[in-house]
Amino acid sequence: SQKIEQNSEALNIQEGKTATLTCNYTNYSPAYLQWYRQDPGRGPVFLLLIRENEKEKRKERLKVTFDTTLKQSLFHITASQPADSATYLCALYNNNDMRFGAGTRLTVKP
Amino acid sequence: DTAVSQTPKYLVTQMGNDKSIKCEQNLGHDTMYWYKQDSKKFLKIMFSYNNKELIINETVPNRFSPKSPDKAHLNLHINSLELGDSAVYFCASSRTNPAVTGSYEQYFGPGTRLTVT
Repeated sequence: SQKIEQNSEALNIQEGKTATLTCNYTNYSPAYLQWYRQDPGRGPVFLLLIRENEKEKRKERLKVTFDTTLKQSLFHITASQPADSATYLCALYNNNDMRFGAGTRLTVKP
Repeated sequence: DTAVSQTPKYLVTQMGNDKSIKCEQNLGHDTMYWYKQDSKKFLKIMFSYNNKELIINETVPNRFSPKSPDKAHLNLHINSLELGDSAVYFCASSRTNPAVTGSYEQYFGPGTRLTVT
């Protein structure tokens, strides 16, 4: 069966460090992989999209990598800030089918 | 301006009732979606819909039905509510033209917390 796993339910890091979140998937061939941020009581907000033929994407302090051989995406936040604290969701898309991971709750401590 | 809006934000109702949740988007998108987020925070797609095609997740009971009066609206109607329907329901929208950079990124509404007692 298809599975999407995000490395841990919760991740705590110190302000200024780089946060690295992992998304692994099995039995799925996504055309796109996306990362979303969700704050408590709110809907997810789109951050980055990476296509299956792309290795890396950057946006400001965010970087996403996509390895279709390993079936893994890494999401990095550099110079993390307390305001980056949220739940981060990876989502795989193919043929009108969008599947989300359970998310990783990131806490950045001052 | 709110991009994707949902009403109501909270809905408390009894088992067996029929209820609707409304969704509107002002982004000019041509595809809309309904998701269910359960207590474990898993976000599961229920429907995707544009003016040409309705795609239903096969696990969704037929008590759930999307109704779209026009491109900017996709309402969710639920018949005979059950305790297990309690969750947060999110509406979302996106473009579907693959030639557009960033297509398939989805814009979510604020969610509707449904509690069935």
